[in-house]
Amino acid sequence: QVQLQQWGAGLLKPSETLSLTCAVYGGSFSGYYWSWIRQPPGKRLEWIGEINPSGSTIYNPSLKSRVTISVDTSENQLSLQLNSVTAADTAVYYCAGEPGYCIGGHCYGGWFGPWGQGALVTVSS
Amino acid sequence: DIVMTQSPDSLAVSLGERATINCKSSQSVLYNSNSKNYLAWYQQKPGQPPKVLIYWASTRESGVPDRFSGSGSGTDFTLTISSLQAEDVAVYYCQQYYTSTRTFGQGTKVEIK
Repeated sequence: QVQLQQWGAGLLKPSETLSLTCAVYGGSFSGYYWSWIRQPPGKRLEWIGEINPSGSTIYNPSLKSRVTISVDTSENQLSLQLNSVTAADTAVYYCAGEPGYCIGGHCYGGWFGPWGQGALVTVSS
Repeated sequence: DIVMTQSPDSLAVSLGERATINCKSSQSVLYNSNSKNYLAWYQQKPGQPPKVLIYWASTRESGVPDRFSGSGSGTDFTLTISSLQAEDVAVYYCQQYYTSTRTFGQGTKVEIK
């Protein structure tokens, strides 16, 4: 059974860079799509971006200019960097795996299966 | 982006009774070429990450009790808990994956009456 464990700095000042890492245990790292999702206090879940088994990324257009998602396949880890944070980036951040699906010879991520435990990141001066 | 709107925002149901949560998408999430609805449902208990219950609008994830069921097509979907148990107290979210920019509903809080 795939398990995800995530870590990173929990308190940032405005304009700093958010950096989180998620380690994947007990499953096929290369068999999943991987996403980062966040949940601001009292607000709905927001998808941040995804990296597929080939290493290609797609990002939420609302965050695209500030986000980088990467993987280290040798360590079975994925990472999130979000630049120039503001108070609006305060949220619980989750990593999540997507089993994915294929149609017409193309494969995509879709729903989110295993999730990390979440990490609260607070941006405050 | 496709906007997902859930109703109600919260509901209180007696143990053993039925709970029904609705989700409406701002555009259809039915892909005509495969007749699949690109919609999932999640359960989130306090202090825990969300857990997928349903995908393809009506396919239960392995291990999910059969009292949870999903229905609907196009833009209107329903999650039904047929007989509410104490452990079902949680916030429930719908999510579309019809577009690459995945979006979630605002959540529905289910409590015991």
